[in-house]
Amino acid sequence: DQQVKQNSPSLSVQEGRISILNCDYTNSMFDYFLWYKKYPAEGPTFLISISSIKDKNEDGRFTVFLNKSAKHLSLHIVPSQPGDSAVYFCAAKGVRGSSNTGKLIFGQGTTLQVKP
Amino acid sequence: NAGVTQTPKFQVLKTGQSMTLQCAQDMNHEYMSWYRQDPGMGLRLIHYSVGAGITDQGEVPNGYNVSRSTTEDFPLRLLSAAPSQTSVYFCASRRGGGEGGYTFGSGTRLTVV
Repeated sequence: DQQVKQNSPSLSVQEGRISILNCDYTNSMFDYFLWYKKYPAEGPTFLISISSIKDKNEDGRFTVFLNKSAKHLSLHIVPSQPGDSAVYFCAAKGVRGSSNTGKLIFGQGTTLQVKP
Repeated sequence: NAGVTQTPKFQVLKTGQSMTLQCAQDMNHEYMSWYRQDPGMGLRLIHYSVGAGITDQGEVPNGYNVSRSTTEDFPLRLLSAAPSQTSVYFCASRRGGGEGGYTFGSGTRLTVV
């Protein structure tokens, strides 16, 4: 049973507009949620994270929102740029002492295409 | 710092062969993990380690072994390669505690024929 889900395989937006990538999780025993960006033939790179005790975190053009009651998080990119075109993975870090201790569980990924 | 180094970058195996994917990190990170990436499946955790001498299974451990004799190294062994193990493999490491952001290697593309 997949604990972290990204239900949209792909997203296409126009340059300058907002990109919103979504992620759902089923297990409450996570203390951090993270977003990674991946270009072809490279390893994923860390983008932004949020603690489970917060509902928003911003870093430049990137903002992550967490809705704990809905077990949902989203990544907003404003404004979107062609260089943002990549695969985006959300991930959840297991709480120490839980069955997911030491684990970082990833979703399936969403391919974002930003058109010039 | 080299970060996380994976070797080889590409490998072709015949069904039934064994091999070891190497992973080394120079950041003194406690935690290390192996993931495989398959189309539509995202990154799935194979095995992970929370410190030298400690390993545990992830989501898809069957057909793979690991050991962690030093903090720096975390090799992944394929005991008898199968076509279903054709994938891109990523090794990652992070320090303990905190947000848990992993640093990833550049990956090993493995094809089993």
